[in-house]
Amino acid sequence: GNSVTQMEGPVTLSEEAFLTINCTYTATGYPSLFWYVQYPGEGLQLLLKATKADDKGSNKGFEATYRKETTSFHLEKGSVQVSDSAVYFCALSEGNQAGTALIFGKGTTLSVSS
Amino acid sequence: GAVVSQHPSRVICKSGTSVKIECRSLDFQATTMFWYRQFPKQSLMLMATSNEGSKATYEQGVEKDKFLINHASLTLSTLTVTSAHPEDSSFYICSAREGGSDGYTFGSGTRLTVV
Repeated sequence: GNSVTQMEGPVTLSEEAFLTINCTYTATGYPSLFWYVQYPGEGLQLLLKATKADDKGSNKGFEATYRKETTSFHLEKGSVQVSDSAVYFCALSEGNQAGTALIFGKGTTLSVSS
Repeated sequence: GAVVSQHPSRVICKSGTSVKIECRSLDFQATTMFWYRQFPKQSLMLMATSNEGSKATYEQGVEKDKFLINHASLTLSTLTVTSAHPEDSSFYICSAREGGSDGYTFGSGTRLTVV
């Protein structure tokens, strides 16, 4: 079945450091890929997405490129801020039918200190 | 953009009682909604897929008699945790998707504590 594997956390960085959170996936077809962010005590917010190979999703300084050859969708940011502290989830969905659920990775906690 | 409203945000109930959680799509029709459960420091586990006008589809290992799902209209799905026990304490999140879109919208979640 489809699955998502992302790096174990927590990730602890100083402000302005470079961030990478690895994510790889297993899918039978051609999934859409997503990164969601969950701030403390809140629900999930879409951070970025990519729907086909070689697409790059970007938002708020975060980027991720859909790599079909390595089945990866690593999240990167050049300079993190304290406000980026949150839990980040990589996810996939296969197909655009309304009945297709998102499958999530286990989440990676990011803690940024000033 | 699409908005999903989930209520209540927090609920504390006594062991043995039932709790209902509502999820509404405010500006679109959601023929399908998804219910997830999130344990502390863990991922979101898909519990069930709720389909308007028909029975929900439950994931393996989820007790359908324990977690009752009703999707009576195109904008409302409810999850009822019946005869709640402390081990049911968790964060429950609903999600909806407009047909033909690859965008998912999430409710803000419900923190259930059973005492």
